[in-house]
Amino acid sequence: EAGVTQSPTHLIKTRGQQVTLRCSPISGHTSVYWYQQALGLGLQFLLWYDEGEERNRGNFPPRFSGRQFPNYSSELNVNALELEDSALYLCASSPGTVKAGELFFGEGSRLTVL
Amino acid sequence: EDQVTQSPEALRLQEGESSSLNCSYTVSGLRGLFWYRQDPGKGPEFLFTLYSAGEEKEKERLKATLTKKESFLHITAPKPEDSATYLCAVQAGGSEKLVFGKGTKLTVNP
Repeated sequence: EAGVTQSPTHLIKTRGQQVTLRCSPISGHTSVYWYQQALGLGLQFLLWYDEGEERNRGNFPPRFSGRQFPNYSSELNVNALELEDSALYLCASSPGTVKAGELFFGEGSRLTVL
Repeated sequence: EDQVTQSPEALRLQEGESSSLNCSYTVSGLRGLFWYRQDPGKGPEFLFTLYSAGEEKEKERLKATLTKKESFLHITAPKPEDSATYLCAVQAGGSEKLVFGKGTKLTVNP
């Protein structure tokens, strides 16, 4: 069974640019979560999508946004990139809310902002 | 505000030298406490869920325990392949998000 896949794996952008990160959940999983892991910080919750709807978002500015498609894949968009957006962006999926904390993570997209 | 503090930040052990990692938490109505393992360059891998004080879970050389204020991850006779960063996270009642600690980086030397 394929795990959570994310693309791209690495990317370099400059300040002010925009980036789109993509995530395909495990087959059958309807919930997708996005987390940011910056150097020296723990994983910070960004967004949660379930059944195509944004259900919750963390304490991030509106330039962080995303969506979930009918096939449950998801995109994370970050506009007007800032240096502090440099981080590993992790996508995770779960089969539903019953065991919502048991997340299956992808290997992440490492974003460097210069 | 829900908070998770892990200690120590880093731990070096010799192969076979047992030890424990600590996760202290404050949360409004614990729904679950979770342990994950993260290898360098990889996403976290789920290990355990603990729901209530007194609960214990085991997997190979790892054993997780839970009290009302903290959780311990006990590592018995570790091997070099146990080297990783171990993350603790809590989920509050009525919330779907996890609040993670910064992790403990474990190195097991042969």
